[in-house]
Amino acid sequence: SQQGEEDPQALSIQEGENATMNCSYKTSINNLQWYRQNSGRGLVHLILIRSNEREKHSGRLRVTLDTSKKSSSLLITASRAADTASYFCATDALWETSGSRLTFGEGTQLTVNP
Amino acid sequence: EAQVTQNPRYLITVTGKKLTVTCSQNMNHEYMSWYRQDPGLGLRQIYYSMNVEVTDKGDVPEGYKVSRKEKRNFPLILESPSPNQTSLYFCASSGDGRPFYEQYFGPGTRLTVT
Repeated sequence: SQQGEEDPQALSIQEGENATMNCSYKTSINNLQWYRQNSGRGLVHLILIRSNEREKHSGRLRVTLDTSKKSSSLLITASRAADTASYFCATDALWETSGSRLTFGEGTQLTVNP
Repeated sequence: EAQVTQNPRYLITVTGKKLTVTCSQNMNHEYMSWYRQDPGLGLRQIYYSMNVEVTDKGDVPEGYKVSRKEKRNFPLILESPSPNQTSLYFCASSGDGRPFYEQYFGPGTRLTVT
């Protein structure tokens, strides 16, 4: 079953603006990860936030996690044309004690216009 | 350089002709996984392996086989490919034997079955 769902499906902004993408999930999780994918290429890990964390920063990235609402957001500040890509959230369900399953959402396509 | 490699990168084949997509990682990772990516469906896990000789089904295993005879290699086998297996395939690996942490993705294999 689909665990993570990103919103919006597509986002178009101007260079220098901030971009916010949201992810909702259905079951309790161990942690949540965000990945980036340039067109047709492999995914690249951006950031991981654990279920007991509320906010995490990495460079121009800021991730928040609200486990009560089962949602996360990824904020990219001062966006650049090179940030144009698809962004995916991925979760591992708490009930998967073997730690075997990472479920990805369908992604948000971000376009940053120069 | 730490990486996951896949071969071939592009493949066009005909229905029923057995094929193998190779995946290799040089990071001594225990966990490896195969995903397929389709428009509107996101990434879906096909099979995963927690360690050598340990494999298990993901969300969409029908029509696929895998093996894990060596730690570094995790080939994906399509015994009798069908057009609905036309997709973009990704191999990924993760340290610590679980996908809880950062996954490293290969560059992808674009498969077309006619």
